[in-house]
Amino acid sequence: GIQVEQSPPDLILQEGANSTLRCNFSDSVNNLQWFHQNPWGQLINLFYIPSGTKQNGRLSATTVATERYSLLYISSSQTTDSGVYFCAVYTGTASKLTFGTGTRLQVTL
Amino acid sequence: DSGVTQTPKHLITATGQRVTLRCSPRSGDLSVYWYQQSLDQGLQFLIQYYNGEERAKGNILERFSAQQFPDLHSELNLSSLELGDSALYFCASSYGLASYEQYFGPGTRLTVT
Repeated sequence: GIQVEQSPPDLILQEGANSTLRCNFSDSVNNLQWFHQNPWGQLINLFYIPSGTKQNGRLSATTVATERYSLLYISSSQTTDSGVYFCAVYTGTASKLTFGTGTRLQVTL
Repeated sequence: DSGVTQTPKHLITATGQRVTLRCSPRSGDLSVYWYQQSLDQGLQFLIQYYNGEERAKGNILERFSAQQFPDLHSELNLSSLELGDSALYFCASSYGLASYEQYFGPGTRLTVT
């Protein structure tokens, strides 16, 4: 099956810093989602992005499906951005999401 | 709030027991998915239902079963529970069958003692 790897696995930032999280996948995908899992365990939808670039406030995402990667940019990070960020992909005709390994982000004051 | 509801939020039970987790999808969504998040396996797809019918199976144990009812809510039944079944169980919903955006519920945290 498809492999989805995220980097870096862990990231510590000071409040106000910017960061880029990467998601690499081993096969072609139909679509891709980014999620934020907050410290309470909730999975929050960030982006649904098969290709191109989308922006939502301080966050933006870019997917280059032909090169099998997606990037999540976080600018001016805040402590509420802490948690784990997952990318997840759809492959073939399957509806299931295959999740990446996650990036654990800690934003400190 | 994603619009997907799950009950209960927490469940503590003993080995060998059986539990039922419940999920109500977002209004208008026909697909329901179940995922398991454990420390060693990460987030894994278990099973999908679409408009009452099973459509896809993932790494779901034979001791686990699910169904989707005519009102589109779904239940995940876990039986003969083992310590290793302790995990966070998520339900997600989407409008259609393939590649539609999925929205996740708050999860049910199951602890097997």
